[in-house]
Amino acid sequence: DIQMTQSPSSLSASVGDTVTITCRASQSISSYLNWYQQKSGKAPKVLIYAASSLESGVPSRFSGSGSGTDFTLTISSLQPEDFATYYCQQSYSSPFTFGPGTKVDIK
Amino acid sequence: QVQLQESGPGLVKPSETLSLTCTVSGGSISSYYWSWIRQPPGKGLEWLGYIYYSGSTSYNPSLKSRVTMSVDTSKNQFSLKLSSVTAADTAMYYCARASIFGMVPYYFDYWGQGTLVTVSS
Repeated sequence: DIQMTQSPSSLSASVGDTVTITCRASQSISSYLNWYQQKSGKAPKVLIYAASSLESGVPSRFSGSGSGTDFTLTISSLQPEDFATYYCQQSYSSPFTFGPGTKVDIK
Repeated sequence: QVQLQESGPGLVKPSETLSLTCTVSGGSISSYYWSWIRQPPGKGLEWLGYIYYSGSTSYNPSLKSRVTMSVDTSKNQFSLKLSSVTAADTAMYYCARASIFGMVPYYFDYWGQGTLVTVSS
């Protein structure tokens, strides 16, 4: 199985900050990397697919980059509604695996 | 707008079989991959497997031979069966659509609201 790690596991930030979350795969996954946002009590919502493609309807302050084993999710100008947990997920090979999550909360 | 809705018992006894159904509305179940993903309370996400509308499947080996998925295109539904459950199978269970990119399942673009299944006697 491909193992996914994320850093940091949690962070505190203020509205307006730029936040960067890193995801690393245990082997190369090309660009088969997706990012999800999960708010408390809700299902995850896809933000970015194929490492850098913005899902329709997702604000442009979210962006993704990377390929191979190292990926980043950047949130520019953090908004109050962005406080949530973020997961990366690889779809390069089965079983699809998720990172452990990064919780973003208010400083 | 595609919507997914999980249904099934919220309480299952240890050693019994967990059975859930996901009903898809607002779109056809055809031409997509459909997945089950679970999340134990306070923990991360685990992909259980997917089924293509044609019936082909891929399961997470971590579940060994306990998982079975099926699809009923006439009802626009797909289902999950997980046998020999233990307390470790207590989780929120989500059904989700896997959008196809480059002819392979790529990312989960529509999710159900989730259903909490507790394994307890």
